[in-house]
Amino acid sequence: GQQVMQIPQYQHVQEGEDFTTYCNSSTTLSNIQWYKQRPGGHPVFLIQLVKSGEVKKQKRLTFQFGEAKKNSSLHITATQTTDVGTYFCAGFHRGSTLGRLYFGRGTQLTVWP
Amino acid sequence: EAGVTQFPSHSVIEKGQTVTLRCDPISGHDNLYWYRRVMGKEIKFLLHFVKESKQDESGMPNNRFLAERTGGTYSTLKVQPAELEDSGVYFCASSKKFFQVNSNQPQHFGDGTRLSIL
Repeated sequence: GQQVMQIPQYQHVQEGEDFTTYCNSSTTLSNIQWYKQRPGGHPVFLIQLVKSGEVKKQKRLTFQFGEAKKNSSLHITATQTTDVGTYFCAGFHRGSTLGRLYFGRGTQLTVWP
Repeated sequence: EAGVTQFPSHSVIEKGQTVTLRCDPISGHDNLYWYRRVMGKEIKFLLHFVKESKQDESGMPNNRFLAERTGGTYSTLKVQPAELEDSGVYFCASSKKFFQVNSNQPQHFGDGTRLSIL
C-alpha cells in the first residue's frame, strides 16, 4: 500500500550541529507537508511543497522536494535547543482522495546544550 | 482564533467498555480529520469529513469505531467495545476548504486524546 518512510527515527545532536531528516514515498506524491510536534504537544504545520524540485527556506530550516516527487528532506542548520521535537513529513498521494495525509514515523530530535 | 480542541485529554477504560472522544474544529473549517498514533509509529489516518459528510473513512480499523459530525460542526469518535490494541493518542485536525488542485490546506491539530485500554 501507499507508505511514507522517514529516517532516522531518532537523532541526537549537540547545539550548533546540523540535522537532516529524510522522507521517501512508495508512490508519486501530489505534494508534501512538514509538521513539528514539541514534547507533550500536537503537530504544527511548518510548510507545504508542491512543485517538483522545489526548495523552500524558513530561517535555519531548508525543505526540499525531489524531482520525481517521491522524496523530501528537512535540513536544520546550526540546531538550537528550541528545535527539539519530532518532525513529521506527510504526503498526499496522487490519485488518493484529496485530504488524506500519509505520515512518516517522524524523526525525534534531541539537542544537547 | 481558537484552535482545535479535543476532549477528554486522557481516558483510561477497561477492555469492553465504551469511550467517546470529541473534537471541536476551528470555526469555519469544512474539513475535519481523525488520526491515531500508537507510540513510536506513524500518525495514521482514520477518516475525513467534509462538513457533515464522510469523504473518506477507509482508515477506520473496524466497525467498533464510529465517527459522526452532525451539523458539520463538532465531531465524535466512539469506540465500542474497546480493545487493548485501540490504545494510543487520537488526534483531530481541521482545515479550510480546498481551492486548488494538488495544493492542500495546512491541517491544524488538536492536543489529542490519550486513550489507554486496560
